[in-house]
Amino acid sequence: DGGITQSPKYLFRKEGQNVTLSCEQNLNHDAMYWYRQDPGQGLRLIYYSQIVNDFQKGDIAEGYSVSREKKESFPLTVTSAQKNPTAFYLCASRSGTLSNQPQHFGDGTRLSIL
Amino acid sequence: RKEVEQDPGPFNVPEGATVAFNCTYSNSASQSFFWYRQDCRKEPKLLMSVYSSGNEDGRFTAQLNRASQYISLLIRDSKLSDSATYLCVVTRSGYSTLTFGKGTMLLVSP
Repeated sequence: DGGITQSPKYLFRKEGQNVTLSCEQNLNHDAMYWYRQDPGQGLRLIYYSQIVNDFQKGDIAEGYSVSREKKESFPLTVTSAQKNPTAFYLCASRSGTLSNQPQHFGDGTRLSIL
Repeated sequence: RKEVEQDPGPFNVPEGATVAFNCTYSNSASQSFFWYRQDCRKEPKLLMSVYSSGNEDGRFTAQLNRASQYISLLIRDSKLSDSATYLCVVTRSGYSTLTFGKGTMLLVSP
């Protein structure tokens, strides 16, 4: 099936630890995005990438890092500098950057602090 | 003024009712519009795009009013399974990012 796969579904982080969230898509989409959603809140953009080997900061990039070495993959690392990492993390992709293209989401990763 | 605003609700309606949500946007250069549905603790899923002339998909009708800068979603004959949060999404030409509203919660009761 074509789609976006996020793993793991649940992740626990210890103090001072970096953790990496995986996002893979087989939709041949150019653009990929990472969002964070806190309870009762909207989606906030962390990072996005329009093309391989290029990415841009979103609204809340501090404490996070990404890479885009392959078109299919856009992993997100939550570093120890992110002091409040507990949230629902959503990866999305989009076939292009034309404004009439919607985004499609993976089923998310829930990150909690131990 | 926020770029995309929605009434958070919740909208409580009985099964079979008709319910409508509005979403206002502040940037007149906004070009494309979408409605997404998000179930509790799940990812958002595309419900429908919103076209200038308005469009319908079964029980769902979306409208765009560029003059007043809002879009609307009408749900007819509400089902229990329609209970969810509905997110309004706006894009601008030349921008690769989308702007999401915080969503309107709908609760359909028996």
